Order: sequence, then structure tokens, then C-alpha cells
Amino acid sequence: TQLLEQSPQFLSIQEGENLTVYCNSSSVFSSLQWYRQEPGEGPVLLVTVVTGGEVKKLKRLTFQFGDARKDSSLHITAAQPGDTGLYLCAGPMDSNYQLIWGAGTKLIIKP
Amino acid sequence: EAQVTQNPRYLITVTGKKLTVTCSQNMNHEYMSWYRQDPGLGLRQIYYSMNVEVTDKGDVPEGYKVSRKEKRNFPLILESPSPNQTSLYFCASSLWTGDYEQYFGPGTRLTVT
Repeated sequence: TQLLEQSPQFLSIQEGENLTVYCNSSSVFSSLQWYRQEPGEGPVLLVTVVTGGEVKKLKRLTFQFGDARKDSSLHITAAQPGDTGLYLCAGPMDSNYQLIWGAGTKLIIKP
Repeated sequence: EAQVTQNPRYLITVTGKKLTVTCSQNMNHEYMSWYRQDPGLGLRQIYYSMNVEVTDKGDVPEGYKVSRKEKRNFPLILESPSPNQTSLYFCASSLWTGDYEQYFGPGTRLTVT
């Protein structure tokens, strides 16, 4: 059974600090997607990583796909209150064309 | 503006009273799905549709029905809601299949008493 585990489940830090959240699995994924969900809204795609070892940057956010394509990380540099939200990772199942979702990391950035 | 719309956004109802949550997308997407989101459990897929008149069960289909008579619309029907269906519901669409980028609606918060 393919599973995606995200850690930590909850993170509260001060503005300006750096942080890393993780998305791990024992299964190999062909790609992983990262979404951010703000309160009262649906998730919005931030990035898709496809190649093992790939690093993608989105302003202060850096996404990395593990070499073995079993894990991914999201690093935020100098976090801002606008980064507050629920960060979700998702990857396609082997058996069909559906996505498996992690439970998410709830991030709060305090001014 | 490309979007997925859901209605209503909030709904409080009583056990057993049939309800429908509508979902519409204007992006000509082939694939549509419904999710429920519960604290600590993340997003769980209820039903999905690969195309008009083609639907299939997701991970948690019990107690729900769907139909896809038109490409743009994918309503979620609760024939006899129960309190354990109290949740935040999201409709989503993607261009081709479920492993493509998902575009989500704003959510419907349902409370069943």
C-alpha cells in the first residue's frame, strides 16, 4: 500500500526563521506534487517534482525530490506570515491515475 | 476566470434529509472528483469521473452518489446524510487524469445534526 507521511504535523515559528517540512514514503513515486491550502480555501498547486534529486525554487520556497524518489522536502527561508497554511504533498498511485495525499503540515508564522 | 465553483459553501442539515452539493468547472477538464477533508485524516477521495457518464468509487464512497451528465458539472448527492458525514468537502478537476494538477473549488462545510 502506498502511503505518504508528512512531518511535522504542526509547526509554529516566528517570522524570519527558516523551516523544513517533509513528505516521506517507503514507495517510489514517479512524481510528487506540493499544494498549499489557506483557511477557507481549496488547496493550490505550488510545484511538481519529477526527477530524482530535482530541486525547484519558488521565491523563498525550495522543493527537493529525493534521489530514490521516495521522499520530498520543502524548505522555507525567512518565513513570512503569508506563508501560513496547510502544506500537502500528493503523489500518483501505481495502480491507477489517482493521487495519494499526505495528511499535511499545518504551518503558522507569527509576526 | 478559470475556476471550480461549489454551492452551497455552508450547509447545516438534519439526519436523513437528502441534499445535493453542486460543482462546476469552466476549464473543459476531463477529470473531476470529490474529496472530504477531516482533521488528521487529510484529503480522502469520495468519487471521481474520467469523462461524461464515467464515474468510479474513490476511497470513501459509502453514503454518497455522483453523476456526470455534462462535462462541466459533477454534483455530489447525499441521499440520507448521517452525522459522520459532517466534513469539509472539495470538488476538484484536472485536465486529463487524477494524477495531473488538481484545481480545487472553495469547499463546502457540511454539518449533519
